[in-house]
Amino acid sequence: DAKTTQPPSMDCAEGRAANLPCNHSTISGNEYVYWYRQIHSQGPQYIIHGLKNNETNEMASLIITEDRKSSTLILPHATLRDTAVYYCIVLKTSYDKVIFGPGTSLSVIP
Amino acid sequence: DTEVTQTPKHLVMGMTNKKSLKCEQHMGHRAMYWYKQKAKKPPELMFVYSYEKLSINESVPSRFSPECPNSSLLNLHLHALQPEDSALYLCASSQEKGSYEKLFFGSGTQLSVL
Repeated sequence: DAKTTQPPSMDCAEGRAANLPCNHSTISGNEYVYWYRQIHSQGPQYIIHGLKNNETNEMASLIITEDRKSSTLILPHATLRDTAVYYCIVLKTSYDKVIFGPGTSLSVIP
Repeated sequence: DTEVTQTPKHLVMGMTNKKSLKCEQHMGHRAMYWYKQKAKKPPELMFVYSYEKLSINESVPSRFSPECPNSSLLNLHLHALQPEDSALYLCASSQEKGSYEKLFFGSGTQLSVL
């Protein structure tokens, strides 16, 4: 399985864009990049995923580099409710299981 | 309804007790999961069920016994636990194994073993 590395923590000012990086240099061609987040005292929540192209939904945007060795999750206008741990995970859809790494603890500051 | 419901929300038990955690979903999902999460750590996978059959056991000690009586319900039976088993226990479900954009988690049961 491809491994990911993320910074352990980041701060972001409320209302500004939060850009969370993820390195996955050993990703293979059929592996997707998934992002989940976990707000304190809640279970993890799916945010977005992508294979090659950039993706956008109502929660966030995902930018994947052309070589697919890294990606960035963008929360365009961070709010205090976006304070959470963000997990970047590389998965094949044929995988049986989702394994979480340490993630990035994002603090949105007023 | 995109909810995974876990009960109880909090549980305190002694090392000689037997208790059960319950997880329920009504989304028609056929894969269900148990995760364990210690404080300030990521969730760790314990068990995966697919179509009510145990698919993956991540070498979990036998004092944890999962059960999937039907497609909507997942139980975790606890017996003779140790204080180090104190953790947040999370249940999740997905449409099928591999449907990770439709992976929904409950809010968990916070377990304390005394």
